[in-house]
Formats: sequence, structure tokens, C-alpha cells
Amino acid sequence: ETGVTQSPTHLIKTRGQQVTLRCSSQSGHNTVSWYQQALGQGPQFIFQYYREEENGRGNFPPRFSGLQFPNYSSELNVNALELDDSALYLCASSFPGTRPPGELFFGEGSRLTVL
Amino acid sequence: GENVEQHPSTLSVQEGDSAVIKCTYSDSASNYFPWYKQELGKRPQLIIDIRSNVGEKKDQRIAVTLNKTAKHFSLHITETQPEDSAVYFCAVGGYTGTASKLTFGTGTRLQVTL
Repeated sequence: ETGVTQSPTHLIKTRGQQVTLRCSSQSGHNTVSWYQQALGQGPQFIFQYYREEENGRGNFPPRFSGLQFPNYSSELNVNALELDDSALYLCASSFPGTRPPGELFFGEGSRLTVL
Repeated sequence: GENVEQHPSTLSVQEGDSAVIKCTYSDSASNYFPWYKQELGKRPQLIIDIRSNVGEKKDQRIAVTLNKTAKHFSLHITETQPEDSAVYFCAVGGYTGTASKLTFGTGTRLQVTL
């Protein structure tokens, strides 16, 4: 049990709607990353939060946004949903960035279906 | 950015045989190389990782080898068992800004047959 919890586990939205996904990081981890895993693909880095600030982003448009709260939990928000946003969204927590990167602890994910 | 290629995309072996999955990467500065196992409908789970200061690491039936000069690394599973059937992803650690991130390969579906 990694201790990273995500909610909801499954949800269905329609194009144009907005969605909020939530993540509680493993105890002691103050860095949270979000990944998108499309069907049959490897996870892709969306962004990372550390000390409530976004400190790095992958190749995702601004309609993907996030928050981190003082208790290190995090939200991923996606506006103006598109069909291609259908995917498993994975949250991962870790210790603060050190060089080289350390182990990521993934949650079970939130499976989003956009119709 | 980092580019990670993984082969093969599918692999079928008989129980007891060995399985080898290979990955190549593009950024010579990369120095962290984990492997994840993902069962259907589950989260990716780290099974082994290696850092660039070593060439090989072993954990029971699983081993990873790294060739930094050639920029490739491989996962070796010996004495395969049906429970090894899953999708395996290689990944390469790097940074975007100050954020640490993993760039994943496209996955290998391993099937162990009886």
C-alpha cells in the first residue's frame, strides 16, 4: 500500500465540461506529480507541484491546471474537455526533488471518459 | 526533450523461460532508470531501478542492465511465472524546470503461458 489516494476512481463527462480530480499524497511526501495515461500508452507527465507551486509542466495546454494545498494534497482541473482527454490520470508523490530523481509512488488513478 | 523507445511491444514466453525487454533513450545526461509493472486496471508499480553509477542490479528473478555509452537499458526476468504477466514500462528520470519527472516507454505486454 503506497498511501497515495485518488478520487474519484471513475467518472464520465461530456465534451466541453470541466473536471476536478483529487489526490492525497503519501505521508511525508511534499511533492505531487500528475500523469496522463491514454489507453495502450505509457504515462505522460502533466505537471508537478512543490510547496504549493507548479515547478514544472509537460506538453499539456493551459486548460490543464492544478493546485496543491498546505497539507500537500492536490487537485488536477481540466477545462473544456475534449474526447482525447479520456485517459487514466495518475497522481504520484515523492520526496522533494533531488538529483537524480527519486522513486515515484503512484495512486490507483482516476479513469476519465469523455463522451 | 527525452525520447524513450521500448521493444518489443508484446512478448510471449513459456513458464520458466526468460524474458528480456529493451529500452533506448536520447538524453545522455539522464541518470535514473526505473522499471514499472502494471497489471490490468491497476497503477504502475516500481519493480526495480538503476542509477547511472552502476551497470547492473539484481533482485531475485529480476535484473536490470545499463549501458550508458550506448544509451540503452534492459529488464531481464528469469524463471518466468504466470503472475509475471502484465505490461512493463521502462522510464527515464529527468527534469523540466526544477520538477523531476519520468519519461516512459510505450510498454511491453508480457504473457507467460503454461
